[in-house]
Amino acid sequence: EPEVTQTPSHQVTQMGQEVILRCVPISNHLYFYWYRQILGQKVEFLVSFYNNEISEKSEIFDDQFSVERPDGSNFTLKIRSTKLEDSAMYFCASSEFVGRGGDQPQHFGDGTRLSIL
Amino acid sequence: AQKITQTQPGMFVQEKEAVTLDCTYDTSDQSYGLFWYKQPSSGEMIFLIYQGSYDEQNATEGRYSLNFQKARKSANLVISASQLGDSAMYFCAMRRSNFNKFYFGSGTKLNVKP
Repeated sequence: EPEVTQTPSHQVTQMGQEVILRCVPISNHLYFYWYRQILGQKVEFLVSFYNNEISEKSEIFDDQFSVERPDGSNFTLKIRSTKLEDSAMYFCASSEFVGRGGDQPQHFGDGTRLSIL
Repeated sequence: AQKITQTQPGMFVQEKEAVTLDCTYDTSDQSYGLFWYKQPSSGEMIFLIYQGSYDEQNATEGRYSLNFQKARKSANLVISASQLGDSAMYFCAMRRSNFNKFYFGSGTKLNVKP
């Protein structure tokens, strides 16, 4: 079964450094997402991406964050200048389409655990 | 505002018994989707089951079923014949029609006892 893959599985970075988290969504999917989960807390939406542009973003997704689809397969999340509070599990997800009734599940990758020192 | 509430932070169930994990939601939308995900200790998010707001029948997927009560705005997950491998966090989520983001609840940690 096709799956979303994320690399690396764990990233340790010094505060203030830039970090790029990488994802390969499922190949025929058109919508891509980033979520984060701070340890012990709920999963929070960051951003969705469709047709090479951001379609929706949360208040968490400020100017320090950016997303890119540099080629036909990768989808990346960049954090420009990391802060301690950026430490979390970051999940990439993809879905085939967004339709009426909200009936498309989002398929999640295994996550990247980001630790900011 | 959309909101998902899971009132059970932790649950215990005996192996082979059934368990119900509660989820209520708050939305003024008429069209939306409800989802359950399982998160084992290894951290990945595994899609379990989906219920559309217009579906008249409760969704079922193997040992998972969704007890959907639209008037009460509840979408409880029922796991039948619990197995040790069911021990995990379970998240309820909602997506509004024609919007992208999922709203997640705070999760329920299920422990299956042998």
